[in-house]
Amino acid sequence: EIVLTQSPATLSLSPGERATLSCRASQSVSSYLAWYQQKPGQAPRLLIYDVSNRATGIPARFSGSGSGTDFTLTISSLEPEDFAVYYCQQRSDWPLLTFGQGTRLEIK
Amino acid sequence: QLQLVESGGGVVQPGRSLRVSCAASGFTFSSYALHWVRQAPGKGLEWVAFISYDGTNKYYADSVKGRFTISRDNSKNTLYLQMNSLRAEDTAVYYCARDASHFGSGNIDYWGQGTLVTVSS
Repeated sequence: EIVLTQSPATLSLSPGERATLSCRASQSVSSYLAWYQQKPGQAPRLLIYDVSNRATGIPARFSGSGSGTDFTLTISSLEPEDFAVYYCQQRSDWPLLTFGQGTRLEIK
Repeated sequence: QLQLVESGGGVVQPGRSLRVSCAASGFTFSSYALHWVRQAPGKGLEWVAFISYDGTNKYYADSVKGRFTISRDNSKNTLYLQMNSLRAEDTAVYYCARDASHFGSGNIDYWGQGTLVTVSS
């Protein structure tokens, strides 16, 4: 099973700042990595798929990068609605899908 | 607009069974593969099961294999998860989620709001 480790567990920033979230895989997942956002009491929402492709309706301030085992989600300038939990997910080991444990992005 | 609406959750005793459902609308249900993903209270996401667009291919997480069965009725635009021999560790919100392709790719593009299943005596 491919294990995804996200860091940091919690990130405290202010609106307008840049956020950088990390996801590291226990083995290469090629470019098969996605990012989701989840707000309290809500379902996850797809942000980025296959490392760097923004999903429909996702603002340009969200971007993804990386390859192999190390990946990054960047939010260029935080808006109040961006404070949430973020998960990475790999599909390289299809059909076994795994998620990271999440990074909580909180208001400083 | 696209909707996935889960139902059927509730409190069930250990060892008993429960079936949860997911009613879909706003897209051509029979053209997409689907998943169940769960989230234990205060925890992260865990993939549970997959079914292809026509129901011919099904896959399960090891944690539920042999106990859970995924199925779909394309005439009713509905996805199901039959859960048998339930355990306390199956307590979670169960999400229905759409795969971006017919046969399955692991790209999950839409999620329902979830239904809570609590296994407790």
